[in-house]
Amino acid sequence: EVQLLESGGGLIQPGGSLRLSCAASGFAFSAYAMSWVRQAPGKGLEWVSTISGSGGMTYSADSMKGRFTISRDNSKNTLYLQMISLSAEDTAVFYCAKRQESCDGGNCGAFDSWGQGTLVAVSS
Amino acid sequence: EIVLTQSPGTLSLSPGERATLSCRASQSVTSAYLGWLQQKPGQAPRLLIYGASSRATGIPDRFSGSGSGTDFTLTISRLEPEDLAVYYCQQYGSSPLTFGGGTKVEIK
Repeated sequence: EVQLLESGGGLIQPGGSLRLSCAASGFAFSAYAMSWVRQAPGKGLEWVSTISGSGGMTYSADSMKGRFTISRDNSKNTLYLQMISLSAEDTAVFYCAKRQESCDGGNCGAFDSWGQGTLVAVSS
Repeated sequence: EIVLTQSPGTLSLSPGERATLSCRASQSVTSAYLGWLQQKPGQAPRLLIYGASSRATGIPDRFSGSGSGTDFTLTISRLEPEDLAVYYCQQYGSSPLTFGGGTKVEIK
C-alpha cells in the first residue's frame, strides 16, 4: 500500500524559511516522479513543483521559482520542499503526491496517491 | 497557461440521481492528460479518473469520465451519500500544471 507522510509544517514568521519532508513507502520510490501541491484555507488546489524519479529534472510554478526548491533522496525514500522568503500568501496545506510515471522520458502522469498534508502558517 | 473552468459551482442532488460535472479548458489538453480528483471534507484529494476516461484503482464504476480537446465531463451515474465532496479537474500535459476551481456536490 502506498503511504506518503508529510512533515515539517508549522507556524513561521514572514520572511522565514522552512523545509517540508515527505516520507514514502509501499512502492519503488525512485521509479516515480513526485510533486508538491498546496491548498490555501478554503481555496482550491495549486501545483507547486515536480521532480523526476531520478531527481535529474525539476519543474516549478513560475510564482514559486527562486523561492521553493524541490529535491529528493532516493536512498531515504524521501521528498523535500525547501521554502524561503515566506509570506502570508504562502499559508496553505502542502500535499506531496506520487505521479504515475518516472517523468525521465516523457509525461509524468496523473497524481495517483496523496499524503494527508502538512499545514504551513505564515504569520507574525 | 491552460485555464480550466468547472461548472456548475455547486450541484445539489438526491441519492440515486445522476450528476454531470463539466470542465472546459482554455486550449486543447495535450493527449487527454486530464484527470478528475475527489476531495471529501477534511481529507486529501483522491484520483478518480486519469487520461480523461480511465478509472483509477479501486474507483467504483458509477464514476466515469469522457471528453477530449477542450471539453471534459465527469459523470456519477447514481449518487450515494458518501459522494459528498468537491471535485476538481486537472490537466497534467502542459506546464504549468493547472486545476479547475472545483464543483461542490451536495446531497439533498
